[in-house]
Amino acid sequence: DQQVKQNSPSLSVQEGRISILNCDYTNSMFDYFLWYKKYPAEGPTFLISISSIKDKNEDGRFTVFLNKSAKHLSLHIVPSQPGDSAVYFCAASVNSGYALNFGKGTSLLVTP
Amino acid sequence: EPEVTQTPSHQVTQMGQEVILRCVPISNHLYFYWYRQILGQKVEFLVSFYNNEISEKSEIFDDQFSVERPDGSNFTLKIRSTKLEDSAMYFCASGEHSGNVNEQYFGPGTRLTVT
Repeated sequence: DQQVKQNSPSLSVQEGRISILNCDYTNSMFDYFLWYKKYPAEGPTFLISISSIKDKNEDGRFTVFLNKSAKHLSLHIVPSQPGDSAVYFCAASVNSGYALNFGKGTSLLVTP
Repeated sequence: EPEVTQTPSHQVTQMGQEVILRCVPISNHLYFYWYRQILGQKVEFLVSFYNNEISEKSEIFDDQFSVERPDGSNFTLKIRSTKLEDSAMYFCASGEHSGNVNEQYFGPGTRLTVT
């Protein structure tokens, strides 16, 4: 049962351009959303999060947008750098302290 | 910067054997988690632990699995009798969860190979 979906398995972007990673969810009880970045043979690294009471959260080059009515969130990386090349996971939870439900990930490649 | 650590990085075991995976969460965190990722699949929640007891577990976390916080720093996952399908990366995570914030910080993982 895929409650969190990342429909693009991969994305390629030129250095300096914007990367937009998308995520859809089906469970309307989700109220907290996170993005993680993962390199091979490492654990997921927390990037940025957003509560359902907000529609945007920004941290440096990373911005997460939440559209509750569409059950959609996106991660924008501006400007993209080669070091951003990794797998990006969207995750969601229903309440603080509860399990994270992950998407399958999107592999981002930023080319020089 | 504080981080979650896990040992061993790789564990090979025979089917039917018991394994214990170890984690040291970030010291001021109160919530602890185990997740796993089977090769090619998504990261899946196993169990959460708070105030010395399990607060939530998934269908995967059956009677073969147990967790323990034996002292003030370690958090362990035990698989009593391993199966081939238990082969996966196992990630420990921790969080402090003030307010409604649910940021979880992951360790580097233990690769479990069951032969």
